[in-house]
Amino acid sequence: NAGVMQNPRHLVRRRGQEARLRCSPMKGHSHVYWYRQLPEEGLKFMVYLQKENIIDESGMPKERFSAEFPKEGPSILRIQQVVRGDSAAYFCASSQTSGTNNEQFFGPGTRLTVL
Amino acid sequence: QQQVKQSPQSLIVQKGGISIINCAYENTAFDYFPWYQQFPGKGPALLIAIRPDVSEKKEGRFTISFNKSAKQFSLHIMDSQPGDSATYFCAASMRNDMRFGAGTRLTVKP
Repeated sequence: NAGVMQNPRHLVRRRGQEARLRCSPMKGHSHVYWYRQLPEEGLKFMVYLQKENIIDESGMPKERFSAEFPKEGPSILRIQQVVRGDSAAYFCASSQTSGTNNEQFFGPGTRLTVL
Repeated sequence: QQQVKQSPQSLIVQKGGISIINCAYENTAFDYFPWYQQFPGKGPALLIAIRPDVSEKKEGRFTISFNKSAKQFSLHIMDSQPGDSATYFCAASMRNDMRFGAGTRLTVKP
């Protein structure tokens, strides 16, 4: 049973370009979470999605950032018109159920560098 | 608003010693408290977790102590080993809302 998969592992973009980060949850998991981690800092919640629905996007900037989790295919975190401050590691996690004790399994992350 | 405060930011321990990392939370609605271990270049991995209806949970060399009235919990690593050198994150969760501490970089010296 493969774990959470993220690609690409490393992504380099120039200012103003778009970044697309993909996350395939563990088999049987229908809940996906995206986090951002700046160097030497903790994980900051961005968005929580279930299949085809955004449940909580309170941690995601209102502009330039969007996320989706379609019925088929991976979850996508999209950053438009990237700026240097977007450089960070972006982690995706998935869980099987909602509610208490829903263990979140993390992917290896995508390291975004904006030049 | 930082809902989970973690200390220390970094910790150096000799091999065989005890590593202690502390966390405090604010929201009494949190009902699940996991600890994650992260190695450089990797994603966080669940190490051990506790619910607030117990005061202590032990798994091998790792123990969580939980003080509900003080809204604090801590991770104890007994007989620390160089392979334990990593960044440790505490977290507090309610339903699907999980908030992380800022992390503690642990170095275990041989």
